[in-house]
Amino acid sequence: EAAVTQSPRSKVAVTGGKVTLSCHQTNNHDYMYWYRQDTGHGLRLIHYSYVADSTEKGDIPDGYKASRPSQENFSLILELASLSQTAVYFCASSDWGKDTQYFGPGTRLLVL
Amino acid sequence: GQQVKQSSPSLTVQEGGISILNCDYENDMFDYFAWYKKYPDNSPTLLISVRSNVDKREDGRLTVFLNKSGKHFSLHITASQPEDTAVYLCAAVNQGGSAKLIFGEGTKLTVSS
Repeated sequence: EAAVTQSPRSKVAVTGGKVTLSCHQTNNHDYMYWYRQDTGHGLRLIHYSYVADSTEKGDIPDGYKASRPSQENFSLILELASLSQTAVYFCASSDWGKDTQYFGPGTRLLVL
Repeated sequence: GQQVKQSSPSLTVQEGGISILNCDYENDMFDYFAWYKKYPDNSPTLLISVRSNVDKREDGRLTVFLNKSGKHFSLHITASQPEDTAVYLCAAVNQGGSAKLIFGEGTKLTVSS
């Protein structure tokens, strides 16, 4: 059974609307991450968290917020979606001291 | 700037040949290096990783070579198969730092039969 799940798997949003992407992991991992994938850019880190109720900015945090209400759950929030946020978003988890990251299936977001 | 860079966006290799994927990095403090594989419409999965105290690690058809003085690491895939066709992402991190794995842009490997 998949250890990192994401919902929704795809979404169409309107410019200026609010979008929430959810991630759930059953790996019992402390670290969780949100990345976006764009052609030619690989994976870029948006936000991450190493403990519940705390989040850290990644390399491209502008326009995004994150929430880690529990060890298992990590959300990415776009308060005012913009066209430039059209991308595939991946969530991942990893254990402290072990850097293998386990990725979810991805969420394809289209902002119109 | 890009801390981890894959200068070749694509690579085509004949079936049975050796695929060599390259990655350059800037940060002297990186001490863990990894290669992830990603099929279209799928999530990345870890292929192989190496820590900075070794120069080479083999796992079946895969070998990672680490050149610390040149700030370069590479993935060699021997006896390349069509099912090796995928995007390969290199990544590096300073384990004593913030645990942020930095990914390269990816190289699309195509193994032609």
